[in-house]
Amino acid sequence: SQTIHQWPATLVQPVGSPLSLECTVEGTSNPNLYWYRQAAGRGLQLLFYSVGIGQISSEVPQNLSASRPQDRQFILSSKKLLLSDSGFYLCAWRTPTVQLYGYTFGSGTRLTVV
Amino acid sequence: AQSVAQPEDQVNVAEGNPLTVKCTYSVSGNPYLFWYVQYPNRGLQFLLKYITGDNLVKGSYGFEAEFNKSQTSFHLKKPSALVSDSALYFCAVRAKLVANNLFFGTGTRLTVIP
Repeated sequence: SQTIHQWPATLVQPVGSPLSLECTVEGTSNPNLYWYRQAAGRGLQLLFYSVGIGQISSEVPQNLSASRPQDRQFILSSKKLLLSDSGFYLCAWRTPTVQLYGYTFGSGTRLTVV
Repeated sequence: AQSVAQPEDQVNVAEGNPLTVKCTYSVSGNPYLFWYVQYPNRGLQFLLKYITGDNLVKGSYGFEAEFNKSQTSFHLKKPSALVSDSALYFCAVRAKLVANNLFFGTGTRLTVIP
């Protein structure tokens, strides 16, 4: 069966420090992968998506970057965190046939920048 | 262009009463529509989807949604609300021309009052 792992679950980082959040998917191949941010328990902001290894699309210019070094691995990074980077980060994946499965989400990472 | 609107930020309903969470959409072509639920500090969970076929779609936890093409709506319903249904609900529509990504509404917080 397909599963998605996202870690860490919570993270407290000082302003100016680097960030690396990792997401891996098991049980499928060539998934589309997504990073979302959710502020204050509300709407989802799409940050990045990837349709294949090394292929990253950015939706919003910001202090973050994403990489996909392997087919089922998606990494969200920052060189220097800002206070405004605080939020709940969600990774998601889907098969190319979205109509069958929609998205499957990870359990999220709560990032607090202090 | 595609968009989805959830006009209510908050919906309150008494336990045992029917509930409705509203969603309207705008999309070119045939709509693929989804509902997700999010519990505190968790990822989103798939509830149900409409791709084609019957306008009334049944999903998890006793939820259902009615696709109305003339009103471009996809409202989420449940005949009898439970306290455990209290959560954040997201409607989503497929963006065919953007890698088949899903576009999410801003979310509606449902509170079921005992």
